[in-house]
Amino acid sequence: AQTVTQSQPEMSVQEAETVTLSCTYDTSENNYYLFWYKQPPSRQMILVIRQEAYKQQNATENRFSVNFQKAAKSFSLKISDSQLGDTAMYFCAFMKGAASGTYKYIFGTGTRLKVLA
Amino acid sequence: DSGVTQTPKHLITATGQRVTLRCSPRSGDLSVYWYQQSLDQGLQFLIQYYNGEERAKGNILERFSAQQFPDLHSELNLSSLELGDSALYFCASSAGQATYEQYFGPGTRLTVT
Repeated sequence: AQTVTQSQPEMSVQEAETVTLSCTYDTSENNYYLFWYKQPPSRQMILVIRQEAYKQQNATENRFSVNFQKAAKSFSLKISDSQLGDTAMYFCAFMKGAASGTYKYIFGTGTRLKVLA
Repeated sequence: DSGVTQTPKHLITATGQRVTLRCSPRSGDLSVYWYQQSLDQGLQFLIQYYNGEERAKGNILERFSAQQFPDLHSELNLSSLELGDSALYFCASSAGQATYEQYFGPGTRLTVT
């Protein structure tokens, strides 16, 4: 069974600085997808970034980028120029590829990020 | 706004009762997923429907059931409620079986007293 581990329960970063959130996963699949979701105090789940396992290039969305290391089964999220609005719980999620027939997400336990003014 | 709607936003009920949570997916999305988030924990997958048919089941309790209707909205039924069922219940939708990106609704916060 697939598992997703986020080993940092809480982190803090100064405004405008860079922070990296860690995520590791365990799977025997070769085709899968990885995601980072943000959950602010409103509790809404917001997609931050996604990565397809078959793509070697790391995904980037504005100030958010990932470091995807397939062999190491690592998927970290880097937030550059941190802003107060980045304060939230961040969840790493894994999904098996389309051939599996199911599309459920497996979530990590989350990292609570606080951006300090 | 993800385009996924959930009602009600909050629900307070007593142990032993039954409740129904409703979800309307984004326009055109055929897949609906239900997740449970207990206090300060990650989301746990409950069940997935695609175009009216059950596609996948997670650790969903036998007291819980769901269905997806012809208009593609979905309902999650929780019965014989226990204190431990208090949680945030999320619905998510995606365009189809070959689409991996899920869009989440705002959630329904269930409190069982």
